Amino acid sequence: DGGITQSPKYLFRKEGQNVTLSCEQNLNHDAMYWYRQDPGQGLRLIYYSQIVNDFQKGDIAEGYSVSREKKESFPLTVTSAQKNPTAFYLCASSIPWTGGRNQPQHFGDGTRLSIL
Amino acid sequence: GENVEQHPSTLSVQEGDSAVIKCTYSDSASNYFPWYKQELGKGPQLIIDIRSNVGEKKDQRIAVTLNKTAKHFSLHITETQPEDSAVYFCAASRPGANNLFFGTGTRLTVIP
Repeated sequence: DGGITQSPKYLFRKEGQNVTLSCEQNLNHDAMYWYRQDPGQGLRLIYYSQIVNDFQKGDIAEGYSVSREKKESFPLTVTSAQKNPTAFYLCASSIPWTGGRNQPQHFGDGTRLSIL
Repeated sequence: GENVEQHPSTLSVQEGDSAVIKCTYSDSASNYFPWYKQELGKGPQLIIDIRSNVGEKKDQRIAVTLNKTAKHFSLHITETQPEDSAVYFCAASRPGANNLFFGTGTRLTVIP
């Protein structure tokens, strides 16, 4: 089945540690996204990538980093500079915006990150 | 930037009744409006979307309406069932990128 796989489902981090969240898709989508979800809030965009080897900051990129070396993979690193990293992290993918039409985003089932 | 407001934050309906969730957006250039359903511990799932060249779209028990002049759009669920219970998010997107701006969500509870 085609889809987006996020791992791990739960992740615990100690203060001062960097952690990397995995996102893999087999939908052959060029565009991938990372969102953060906090209780009672909508999803907020951290980073996005429209194509391999290219990515752009979203609204809340501070304290996060990404790479896009392969079309299928878009890992997110939560660095120690992120002051409040406890949240639910969601990865999404889509075909690129083309021909004047925005394209639907498809989401994985998320990684819940907690600070010990 | 775009600001999307969503109401109500919680909604309880009896099974079989209709549910309506409303969203407003601030950027008149936005032209794509998806709705997502999120179940506990899962990622959001696209249930319906509408583009700005259309005023209404239906898919079985679900419909979305768009009023570009007033900059608001609504999700309508008819004949609600317990499995419709979830958190629903609206979103808006401007042309030129797929970036989505989300509302804060509505927790829908369908009472059997």
